[in-house]
Amino acid sequence: AQTVTQSQPEMSVQEAETVTLSCTYDTSENNYYLFWYKQPPSRQMILVIRQEAYKQQNATENRFSVNFQKAAKSFSLKISDSQLGDTAMYFCAFMKRRRAYSGGGADGLTFGKGTHLIIQP
Amino acid sequence: DGGITQSPKYLFRKEGQNVTLSCEQNLNHDAMYWYRQDPGQGLRLIYYSQIVNDFQKGDIAEGYSVSREKKESFPLTVTSAQKNPTAFYLCASSILYSPSTYEQYFGPGTRLTVT
Repeated sequence: AQTVTQSQPEMSVQEAETVTLSCTYDTSENNYYLFWYKQPPSRQMILVIRQEAYKQQNATENRFSVNFQKAAKSFSLKISDSQLGDTAMYFCAFMKRRRAYSGGGADGLTFGKGTHLIIQP
Repeated sequence: DGGITQSPKYLFRKEGQNVTLSCEQNLNHDAMYWYRQDPGQGLRLIYYSQIVNDFQKGDIAEGYSVSREKKESFPLTVTSAQKNPTAFYLCASSILYSPSTYEQYFGPGTRLTVT
């Protein structure tokens, strides 16, 4: 079984600052995906960024980037030039990747408990 | 306008009653999932289905049941056997067997309160 740990229950930064959210995970799998999801006060889950474990290059989406350290099983999210609209719960999630010969497909996500990020004006 | 709908947004039930939460998607996705979210917790997987008439238990399936009679629909029944049913329930879907296999799209959720 996989576990995902987010050690920062809450973080607060000033608008325009850079903030890094931490995530570590534990798995015996070699092929998997990692995600960061955002949940604003509306409670709608929104995918922020994803990383395939076999790719060494860190994923980047505009102001969002990750630092993926496979050996350390670490997957942190960096938000640059933070904006008021970034205020939300952020969840780190893990998904095991199935091989095509076993039928492919995908299992569910394993989530961390989340980090409540507050951007102050 | 493609997406996932969950209804109703808020649901109230008396203890001892079964209740069914609706989840419909028009994204033509193969797989569908149910998660539960409690305060201070991340989402936990209840059930998932990759094909019509087939589904698998997730981490916290006890007290829940599902059906998948149509590709578009994956209703979740919270039975009276579920000890702490009050929670926020999220439905998700994803494509299988493609480069974007791994991305799950979420519905807006249903807040269930049992008293």
